Amino acid sequence: DAGITQSPRYKITETGRQVTLMCHQTWSHSYMFWYRQDLGHGLRLIYYSAAADITDKGEVPDGYVVSRSKTENFPLTLESATRSQTSVYFCASTFRDRDTGELFFGEGSRLTVL
Amino acid sequence: AQKITQTQPGMFVQEKEAVTLDCTYDTSDQSYGLFWYKQPSSGEMIFLIYQGSYDEQNATEGRYSLNFQKARKSANLVISASQLGDSAMYFCAMRVHETSYDKVIFGPGTSLSVIP
Repeated sequence: DAGITQSPRYKITETGRQVTLMCHQTWSHSYMFWYRQDLGHGLRLIYYSAAADITDKGEVPDGYVVSRSKTENFPLTLESATRSQTSVYFCASTFRDRDTGELFFGEGSRLTVL
Repeated sequence: AQKITQTQPGMFVQEKEAVTLDCTYDTSDQSYGLFWYKQPSSGEMIFLIYQGSYDEQNATEGRYSLNFQKARKSANLVISASQLGDSAMYFCAMRVHETSYDKVIFGPGTSLSVIP
């Protein structure tokens, strides 16, 4: 099915472990984004990508790594998870043309770091 | 620096009444886009409305309209004839140009409760 999918939807891990959250979209959108959502902060941008092999830091990039070797995939890796990274993570994508509007979201990945 | 401000953490509205959710933004870009999203308690992000900075008409989508005041840098969401299903978090967002590429940032959100 066409769309944007995130996996896993739920993940529990321990402090210090590496975790990768996957994001896959089938629309060939140029732009992809990773956000984290915490109470009182709304959605904060972690990293974004304008195309394959083009990524840049957002508002809260520390502790995260991204890559984008293919247009359709944008994985987010926590190299050594900390409790402060417990959050809901959203992936989103959109077209290159700014005036096309809508940002398309995945369903979110709820990560708990113990 | 680009920033979105939503000064109303929580709002209440009577069913069938209209409500305005405030959003102000800060950017030095001349070309940008403004969005509103709804997030019900189930957690998904639902796109409501989009306004480009060069659009002269305010955007409307059904019961939603965006009151765009460029000089004041405000992009308030107006929901007419509120329904119980409108109870949710509402986020204002902005797409702006950063160095060579675009990014989209969000405000902290407003929690809307519709009272029967």
